[in-house]
Amino acid sequence: DGGITQSPKYLFRKEGQNVTLSCEQNLNHDAMYWYRQDPGQGLRLIYYSQIVNDFQKGDIAEGYSVSREKKESFPLTVTSAQKNPTAFYLCATSSGTSGSHEQLFGPGTRLTVL
Amino acid sequence: GDSVTQMEGPVTLSEEAFLTINCTYTATGYPSLFWYVQYPGEGLQLLLKATKADDKGSNKGFEATYRKETTSFHLEKGSVQVSDSAVYFCALRMNSGGYQKVTFGIGTKLQVIP
Repeated sequence: DGGITQSPKYLFRKEGQNVTLSCEQNLNHDAMYWYRQDPGQGLRLIYYSQIVNDFQKGDIAEGYSVSREKKESFPLTVTSAQKNPTAFYLCATSSGTSGSHEQLFGPGTRLTVL
Repeated sequence: GDSVTQMEGPVTLSEEAFLTINCTYTATGYPSLFWYVQYPGEGLQLLLKATKADDKGSNKGFEATYRKETTSFHLEKGSVQVSDSAVYFCALRMNSGGYQKVTFGIGTKLQVIP
């Protein structure tokens, strides 16, 4: 079954902790993305990666870090520098970055700071 | 910069009513346009898309036509069902420094009552 998996579905973090959200895909897509979703604000791009070992900051990268060591994996770390991390995090992939390659989304991870 | 405007809602309709969710956009070029749907606690699913002016995207009874003259991509359905209750996101995709950036609207919540 081809798709995008995100884990865990729910994550709780204490103040000052770093946490890592997993995103895995078996679609053989080159590009992967991380978005943050907050009520009334739509989706905002955190980081994206067009190829392995390369990634770029999106609109709200401060307090986050990523890696792209394998084509199928794009983990997101929420660091203690992120002041308001409680949100719904969505990973997406696309088969290319040109033309009409639409983005496909995973099921999301809801992060709550205690 | 590029932007997408849609009402936040909620839009409340009775079952079998006609649905219109307005979406207008601002872009410096000719974007591809998308509608995504999000059910509670899940990721976004691509509903339909249009890649050039006058194209009509359609899926599951939903339709939207790319109108360049009015910079709009309104979502319509002739007869909604309770199962259509979800949040609907309009999005555009434009080239931005060699990367096809997706800009999302804030999402419109649809509630269909029996």
